[in-house]
Amino acid sequence: DTEVTQTPKHLVMGMTNKKSLKCEQHMGHRAMYWYKQKAKKPPELMFVYSYEKLSINESVPSRFSPECPNSSLLNLHLHALQPEDSALYLCASTLTSGANEQFFGPGTRLTVL
Amino acid sequence: ILNVEQSPQSLHVQEGDSTNFTCSFPSSNFYALHWYRWETAKSPEALFVMTLNGDEKKKGRISATLNTKEGYSYLYIKGSQPEDSATYLCAFDSYGGATNKLIFGTGTLLAVQP
Repeated sequence: DTEVTQTPKHLVMGMTNKKSLKCEQHMGHRAMYWYKQKAKKPPELMFVYSYEKLSINESVPSRFSPECPNSSLLNLHLHALQPEDSALYLCASTLTSGANEQFFGPGTRLTVL
Repeated sequence: ILNVEQSPQSLHVQEGDSTNFTCSFPSSNFYALHWYRWETAKSPEALFVMTLNGDEKKKGRISATLNTKEGYSYLYIKGSQPEDSATYLCAFDSYGGATNKLIFGTGTLLAVQP
């Protein structure tokens, strides 16, 4: 299984809602990533988990809260988002640290009203 | 702020044409350079991960070269096919001791006309 899955595919939420994005891989990868991609811009790194511990937080606002319950699963909890947070959220994983390719999921398209 | 630039922004070619794109990146704190292909409505897919200056990698009709001293990489596609239509992204990889951190370029959008 060489796939990274993300759910949901699309999400529309109001500014007062609480929702979560989910990412899963069963390749035994120990590093997992959240990226945010706005239209016509490159993906921007948000968070990195390495061996289930938060390794990098790119100064992301606290309304985004990542969680890595186990080595296969990565969540992104959303609360009190702003319309400018509307974007494609991509999850990726890689075997471990080192010059390894990242495997990406198809993304969740988030719209904040 | 690290800057990774790609050119051209977009490219329209005819089936059978050969083409190439450029990725420019900082020459300091280099660990690796990644190339990804991203087709519409699909996941980005890794093409190459390159680490050594002068490295050349090939996958079918696609190849890439790396110059870490001057901070650039070229991606070549020989005999473009309509299925090559996608956005091609490069990413500068700076390894921080425990974790890799990718900074992506803005991409080159390739459209191959049959």
